Amino acid sequence: SAVISQKPSRDICQRGTSLTIQCQVDSQVTMMFWYRQQPGQSLTLIATANQGSEATYESGFVIDKFPISRPNLTFSTLTVSNMSPEDSSIYLCSVLVVARRGEQYFGPGTRLTVT
Amino acid sequence: GQNIDQPTEMTATEGAIVQINCTYQTSGFNGLFWYQQHAGEAPTFLSYNVLDGLEEKGRFSSFLSRSKGYSYLLLKELQMKDSASYLCAVRASTASKLTFGTGTRLQVTL
Repeated sequence: SAVISQKPSRDICQRGTSLTIQCQVDSQVTMMFWYRQQPGQSLTLIATANQGSEATYESGFVIDKFPISRPNLTFSTLTVSNMSPEDSSIYLCSVLVVARRGEQYFGPGTRLTVT
Repeated sequence: GQNIDQPTEMTATEGAIVQINCTYQTSGFNGLFWYQQHAGEAPTFLSYNVLDGLEEKGRFSSFLSRSKGYSYLLLKELQMKDSASYLCAVRASTASKLTFGTGTRLQVTL
C-alpha cells in the first residue's frame, strides 16, 4: 500500500478565512483525489488532482472555492477558500496505486471546523 | 448514473459471522472496493474485487458477481474492534472516481 500523510490533521478556522491542506505520498502514484466527508455522511469526491494542470472538479465544486495544486507525482494541496460553517467537514486525500492493481487508499484526513 | 445500495445498520455477536451486502447499478465497471471506517477516522482499505468470485484475506472475505451487480463482505470470528462503518464503493472505469454507498454501521455486541 501507499503511505499517505496529511497536514494539518485538524484545524479550527474563522468564517471568511482560507485553509490549505497538504497531502504527501511516499511513492509515485498515478492519480490523486480530494474527498469530503460531512458529519454522518458518506464520502463525496471534490476533484481529481492532475499533475501539472488544472484539477478536474465534480459537479457542485468549483476552482475558486477549492483551488488544488499538484506540482509532482507525490504531493498535492487543497485550499478551502472563504470558509463558512457549512465547510466544516473531514477532507481526505486519496491515491490510486496502479502497481497495486488499481487499489485506492485514503490519507488520515483533515478535520476542519469553521466558526 | 451510479446507484449503490447497502444496509444502513447491522448488529452481530462477538465470535459470530456477518455478511454485509452491496448491490450496484453503474454505467461501466472497473472494480468494487470495501473500506472499514471507525468513527472519527479515515477509511481503511479492506478489499478490491475486479473479477467474479471470492477473495479471502484473513478474517475478511469479499465476493463479487458482476452479472448480478452484487457483492458482499464477510467478517468471521467477529471482534469488538470490528464495530465500524463498512463502505462499498464502485469504480466505473480505469480513470474514474469511486462512487460510495452510504455505508453500513456494524455493531458487535457481547
